[in-house]
Amino acid sequence: QVQLVQSGAEVKKPGASVRVSCKASGYTFTGYYIHWVRQAPGQGLEWMGWINPNSGGTNYAPKFQGWVTVTRDTSISTAYMELSRVTSDDTAVYYCARATVEYSFEIWGQGTVVTVSS
Amino acid sequence: EIVLTQSPGTLSLSPGERASLSCRASQGVSTSYLAWFQQRPGQAPRLLIYGASSRATGIPDRFSGSGSGTDFTLTISRLEPEDFAVYYCQQYGSSPITFGQGTRLEIK
Repeated sequence: QVQLVQSGAEVKKPGASVRVSCKASGYTFTGYYIHWVRQAPGQGLEWMGWINPNSGGTNYAPKFQGWVTVTRDTSISTAYMELSRVTSDDTAVYYCARATVEYSFEIWGQGTVVTVSS
Repeated sequence: EIVLTQSPGTLSLSPGERASLSCRASQGVSTSYLAWFQQRPGQAPRLLIYGASSRATGIPDRFSGSGSGTDFTLTISRLEPEDFAVYYCQQYGSSPITFGQGTRLEIK
């Protein structure tokens, strides 16, 4: 069935980088955009950006410009989100989601917990 | 950036009752690119409604969406125990994509 499976939990020290992966299965990976959304503990949803797996084109929320990088490897149907220079404010659950213009975010990954602590 | 404001922050109702959740946008949402999501504790969000009023695959017909422009509503006609969760609206018609702050639907 159609699913997105994310990599496991991460613990990072302040100033480090973290990379989260999102492996797609059950559909043509290059046919749908992948978005990234995060949720800090007890907080709401925050959109970070998207990648077009076909072209590799990206678009980021202004807040994340310059310190989030989203990439993909079409050979293994996987998208990646890398966050650099993390601080304790980046402690959150990070989700990937498959999206279309018509249907919005219809399929979500299970989430990856990223904890930033010294 | 389009700011979405959801009300109320918390809604306390009993199973079987009707719930109405509001989402107001700071400017018009492009061609009704407005979605609603349900999130249960410890789970990823689940798409309920897209295009302001279309139910996603597998969503029961007790869930309905309405509205256009800047005012949107999610209605749950008869609450089931599994409906008590947090609900978010989202606009996806213009960048950056934005979410409302959420409405918590709790058992009275």
